Amino acid sequence: GDSVTQMEGPVTLSEEAFLTINCTYTATGYPSLFWYVQYPGEGLQLLLKATKADDKGSNKGFEATYRKETTSFHLEKGSVQVSDSAVYFCALTPNTGKLIFGQGTTLQVKP
Amino acid sequence: ETGVTQSPTHLIKTRGQQVTLRCSSQSGHNTVSWYQQALGQGPQFIFQYYREEENGRGNFPPRFSGLQFPNYSSELNVNALELDDSALYLCASSLGDRGGTDTQYFGPGTRLTVL
Repeated sequence: GDSVTQMEGPVTLSEEAFLTINCTYTATGYPSLFWYVQYPGEGLQLLLKATKADDKGSNKGFEATYRKETTSFHLEKGSVQVSDSAVYFCALTPNTGKLIFGQGTTLQVKP
Repeated sequence: ETGVTQSPTHLIKTRGQQVTLRCSSQSGHNTVSWYQQALGQGPQFIFQYYREEENGRGNFPPRFSGLQFPNYSSELNVNALELDDSALYLCASSLGDRGGTDTQYFGPGTRLTVL
């Protein structure tokens, strides 16, 4: 079945460091791909999305490119801030109405 | 534009009881999905409602049931609560057709604790 695999955390970085969180997926057809972020004690917020191969989603300095050849959707940011500390979820929707999430990656940014 | 809201914020129940969680969708959205997020895990899809009809269901037993109302708000009902039902329950709304491909926007969640 369809699934999403994320790199295990926690990821600990210093402020202004470069961030990469790896995400790979397994799906039939052409799913849409998403990154959601969850701050402590809150629900999920959509960070960015891509709906077809080679699309690049971007928001708040974060970017991810839909790579069909490697079935990946890695999240990157050039310079992280303390306020980026949160749990990041990669997800896909196989066009059946449901979102399938990875297990989440905790990011901690230290000043 | 009003976002997705959920009530209550927190809830404590005992094993065997029944619970109802509520969700108001974002203005203009006709589709509501419910997810269960256990501690330290990613959310798991429970079911989705599109224009008051169930439009897909995840791997959850029948004691998890739902409703969607004409104003597109929704309820999640869980009967015969078990300890493992303790989780954050998330509601998400979207504007879409039965394919459900549109972006889902999440509410803050209801934290359910079963003792």
